[in-house]
Amino acid sequence: SQQGEEDPQALSIQEGENATMNCSYKTSINNLQWYRQNSGRGLVHLILIRSNEREKHSGRLRVTLDTSKKSSSLLITASRAADTASYFCATDGRYGNKLVFGAGTILRVKS
Amino acid sequence: DTEVTQTPKHLVMGMTNKKSLKCEQHMGHRAMYWYKQKAKKPPELMFVYSYEKLSINESVPSRFSPECPNSSLLNLHLHALQPEDSALYLCASSQVDFLAGGGYEQYFGPGTRLTVT
Repeated sequence: SQQGEEDPQALSIQEGENATMNCSYKTSINNLQWYRQNSGRGLVHLILIRSNEREKHSGRLRVTLDTSKKSSSLLITASRAADTASYFCATDGRYGNKLVFGAGTILRVKS
Repeated sequence: DTEVTQTPKHLVMGMTNKKSLKCEQHMGHRAMYWYKQKAKKPPELMFVYSYEKLSINESVPSRFSPECPNSSLLNLHLHALQPEDSALYLCASSQVDFLAGGGYEQYFGPGTRLTVT
């Protein structure tokens, strides 16, 4: 069963613009992770944020976590055509090995 | 080597066939996973192995039979599948989460695209 909901479902932007995706979840978590999936291929881990962290950066990525609102956001700055992909948030609950993925956001970056 | 390999890339099988999907990693990870992903949907967890023992089975039908012969290999044996089982099957690996709250990134293979006719 899906834990999280993501919005928007789809996002289309121009190269160089910023892209923001949001994820909401329902139960308490230990960690929240973001993954990218290029069409029909495996997932690539982007970033992990722990429940006691509020913000994390990795290159052009910025992730925030608000456990009081049970939500997270992923910001991609200065987007590139190569960022075109589906982006999923994934949460774990009591057992860190069991990830539950959100519905995903399809990002299209036009050059 | 941070790669998870999966074979075959594509598989077409009839409902009476028996086939196997294979997954391999050499990162020393002791947790391995099978996920099923339908088109335009997120991956759904099927099985988790920790230290070569099945630790999570998400109520998967018995026509899917996982096997972990050693710490580097994970198989998924398929028998008497239905057309609705057609999907992308993803394998992943990670370190084991000893303590609730550890949480580790998972490394995914490219998947096997399965079509059941």
